[in-house]
Amino acid sequence: EIVLTQSPATLSLSPGERATLSCRASQNIYSYLAWYQQKPGQAPRPLIYDASNRATGIPARFSGSGSGTDFTLTISSLEPEDFAVYYCQQRYNWDLTFGGGTEVEIK
Amino acid sequence: EVQLVQSGPEVKKPGESLKISCKGSGYSFISYRIGWVRQMPGKGLEWMGIIYPSDSDTRYSPSFQGQITISADQSISTAYLQWSSLKVSDTAMYYCVRRQVSGNQQIDYWGQGTLVTVSS
Repeated sequence: EIVLTQSPATLSLSPGERATLSCRASQNIYSYLAWYQQKPGQAPRPLIYDASNRATGIPARFSGSGSGTDFTLTISSLEPEDFAVYYCQQRYNWDLTFGGGTEVEIK
Repeated sequence: EVQLVQSGPEVKKPGESLKISCKGSGYSFISYRIGWVRQMPGKGLEWMGIIYPSDSDTRYSPSFQGQITISADQSISTAYLQWSSLKVSDTAMYYCVRRQVSGNQQIDYWGQGTLVTVSS
């Protein structure tokens, strides 16, 4: 099983600040990584696929980077609606796995 | 408009069986895979397995193999997740997702979730 480790577990920031979230894979997964945003009481929302491609309708302030084992999701300037939990997910093999999540909370 | 509409919340007792559903609309149901994701209360996302409705090819996560059955009925564009004997630890929100078959194979749509509560 490919293990994804997200850090930090919680990120306390203010609106307008830059958020940098990390996801590390236990083995090389090339660029087969996606990111999702989940707000309380809602289903996850796709943000990024294949490490750096924004999903349909996702604002440009969200960007993804990385390959191999180290990946980053950056939110360039936090909007009030961006405070949520973010998950990474790999698709290197059929047994997809998710990271444990990073909560971006209002400072 | 693509939609995945899941069946309503369920309250069951340990040992009972259950089948929840996920109906796809707004797209060709047989052209995409449907997967299932578990989210236990206050916890993260766990991949359970996936089915390709076109040929019923089904793959289970090792963590869930033997514990669940995933199926699909093309004629009514519906996928299912079922248990033969529920445990209290099956209490969770269950999401169905649509996954592209080729290219980037991204998960691009999620259902609204079905809350399953198992309690004696």
